[in-house]
Amino acid sequence: DAKTTQPNSMESNEEEPVHLPCNHSTISGTDYIHWYRQLPSQGPEYVIHGLTSNVNNRMASLAIAEDRKSSTLILHRATLRDAAVYYCILSGSNYKLTFGKGTLLTVNP
Amino acid sequence: SQTIHQWPATLVQPVGSPLSLECTVEGTSNPNLYWYRQAAGRGLQLLFYSVGIGQISSEVPQNLSASRPQDRQFILSSKKLLLSDSGFYLCAWSPRPVSGPQHFGDGTRLSIL
Repeated sequence: DAKTTQPNSMESNEEEPVHLPCNHSTISGTDYIHWYRQLPSQGPEYVIHGLTSNVNNRMASLAIAEDRKSSTLILHRATLRDAAVYYCILSGSNYKLTFGKGTLLTVNP
Repeated sequence: SQTIHQWPATLVQPVGSPLSLECTVEGTSNPNLYWYRQAAGRGLQLLFYSVGIGQISSEVPQNLSASRPQDRQFILSSKKLLLSDSGFYLCAWSPRPVSGPQHFGDGTRLSIL
């Protein structure tokens, strides 16, 4: 499975935008880029996913580089409830998601 | 809307005892189903996934097994639990096609004594 690289931790202030980076230089042409987040003692929550084009939903935006070797999850206005571990995952045709260590996002009031 | 139910929420079992965790999905048909485990302070590890009734793929050799007796029911079992089986067990489902997102249950926190 293609791997992703994320910073271990990031910090943001409430109501400011947050850009969470992810590198996936070995991505294949059929791999989708998924983002999930996990709060303590809860199951992961789906955030967004995309293939080639940038994507927007009510939770976040996903910006995908033209060569697809990196992507950025954008939270437009961070709230305290956005504090979580964020996982960037590549998913191909084999149904499987391989979770790494993710990025621990801290949001300061 | 679709929902996923997983129980029990917490479980304390002695070493060597059997295990049965159940997961059911409502509001969809023919989902892909998954079992994950998260050990303390570590990432999620995929244990099993299923693309249909009776079709189980194992990702990690261990003393756990999974079964899918009905379309929307996924069961994780063990005949004899080990201390190393402690962890947070999560069931998830995804719609077809395979690029669809996975939706997770609330998990079962299993402690082995």
